[in-house]
Amino acid sequence: AQKVTQAQTEISVVEKEDVTLDCVYETRDTTYYLFWYKQPPSGELVFLIRRNSFDEQNEISGRYSWNFQKSTSSFNFTITASQVVDSAVYFCALSEHQETSGSRLTFGEGTQLTVNP
Amino acid sequence: DAGITQSPRHKVTETGTPVTLRCHQTENHRYMYWYRQDPGHGLRLIHYSYGVKDTDKGEVSDGYSVSRSKTEDFLLTLESATSSQTSVYFCAISESVVRSTQYFGPGTRLLVL
Repeated sequence: AQKVTQAQTEISVVEKEDVTLDCVYETRDTTYYLFWYKQPPSGELVFLIRRNSFDEQNEISGRYSWNFQKSTSSFNFTITASQVVDSAVYFCALSEHQETSGSRLTFGEGTQLTVNP
Repeated sequence: DAGITQSPRHKVTETGTPVTLRCHQTENHRYMYWYRQDPGHGLRLIHYSYGVKDTDKGEVSDGYSVSRSKTEDFLLTLESATSSQTSVYFCAISESVVRSTQYFGPGTRLLVL
């Protein structure tokens, strides 16, 4: 069975600090995808990034960066120079890769990030 | 933004009554999913569909049924609502196995009294 663990339930930082959200996953699949979603206080789920199991390159998008390491089964997310608008719940998710099921997602429990001014 | 709508957005109902939630997409995506979100559990898959009339169970399917009679609509029915089904329900869509990113609807907040 697949599993995603986000050990940090809540993180509180002061604006402009860097913050890293941890994600550890378990799967027996050789082909899989990892995702990060953001859920702001308004409640919608916003897709941030998808990474496939064959691509271990780190990715940077503005203030966001992701570190994928298969050796430690981790897919961590760093926000540089955090802003109040980054306050949200962040979910890490793992998908199976099967024709009939598409991309069934297994989510972690989420990390509540609060950025204080 | 992916064209996904959910209706109703909020509903209050009583224990024992049937409830149907609707997910509508304008993207012509093959796959559709229903999740529920509860504190301490993240999101959990209820049912999913991989084509018209093709559906299967997810992790927490007991007490729920689904139907998909056309590509754009995926219905979730609580056959006899219970207080444990009080939750926020999200619909999601994805295009294909390769283009597998799921995009989510705005959610439906359901309260069962």
